[in-house]
Amino acid sequence: DGGITQSPKYLFRKEGQNVTLSCEQNLNHDAMYWYRQDPGQGLRLIYYSQIVNDFQKGDIAEGYSVSREKKESFPLTVTSAQKNPTAFYLCASSLRGFAYEQYFGPGTRLTVT
Amino acid sequence: AQKITQTQPGMFVQEKEAVTLDCTYDTSDPSYGLFWYKQPSSGEMIFLIYQGSYDQQNATEGRYSLNFQKARKSANLVISASQLGDSAMYFCAMREGEDSGGSNYKLTFGKGTLLTVNP
Repeated sequence: DGGITQSPKYLFRKEGQNVTLSCEQNLNHDAMYWYRQDPGQGLRLIYYSQIVNDFQKGDIAEGYSVSREKKESFPLTVTSAQKNPTAFYLCASSLRGFAYEQYFGPGTRLTVT
Repeated sequence: AQKITQTQPGMFVQEKEAVTLDCTYDTSDPSYGLFWYKQPSSGEMIFLIYQGSYDQQNATEGRYSLNFQKARKSANLVISASQLGDSAMYFCAMREGEDSGGSNYKLTFGKGTLLTVNP
C-alpha cells in the first residue's frame, strides 16, 4: 500500500535536546512538506521540498532544519533553538503541480519538558 | 489579515441531514486553488475536495460538494446525508499562484470547524 509513514507517533524529549522526526513516502511524489499544528489552530508550514537536495523555508522555519537526500525521505530536526517545540507535526507529499492535493502522514506528537 | 477564515468554531448536525461549513478567503492572485481537508480525532489529514479559481462548475466528490462563489470569495463545503463518521475537524486551505516551474506549493490553512454529527 502506498502512503506516508511518520515515526514515532509520540515523542518525549527534555528541553535543550535536538530531536529528529521521520517522514517516509512511497507514493513517488516529488514534493514533500512539514507542518506544525497547535491546539485549536490550523496547520502552519515549516519547510517544503520540491525535489531532492532542494528545500525552502515556510512560515515558521526558525528553530527547525530539514534534509532531502532521497526522494522518499524528508526528516525534520527540531533544534534546541525552537522556543515552543511541543506540538503535533504533520508530514505531507504531493505530485508537482498546482492542483494536486497533498497527502498527509499520521503525524508525530512531540512533547518537550 | 487572515487569508482563510472559517467563522464557525463548532457545528452540530443530525445524522442524515445536510450541513454547510463556511470558508472565506482573501487573495489578489487571479489563479488559486481551494482545498478542504478532514481531520478525525486520530490526527491524520484526509483530502476531500478541490476547486480551482478558473473552474466553471462547483466541485463535487460523492457526498461532498463545494459551493464556490468567486465574487464573494467564499468556498463553502456542503456535506449531504451526514454520517456519524463525519464527526471531525474540517479545514479549508488555499494555494495561490499558477504553477510555473518555480512554483508555489504552499497551502495556507484556516483554523478549522469542529463538526459533530448527532444520532
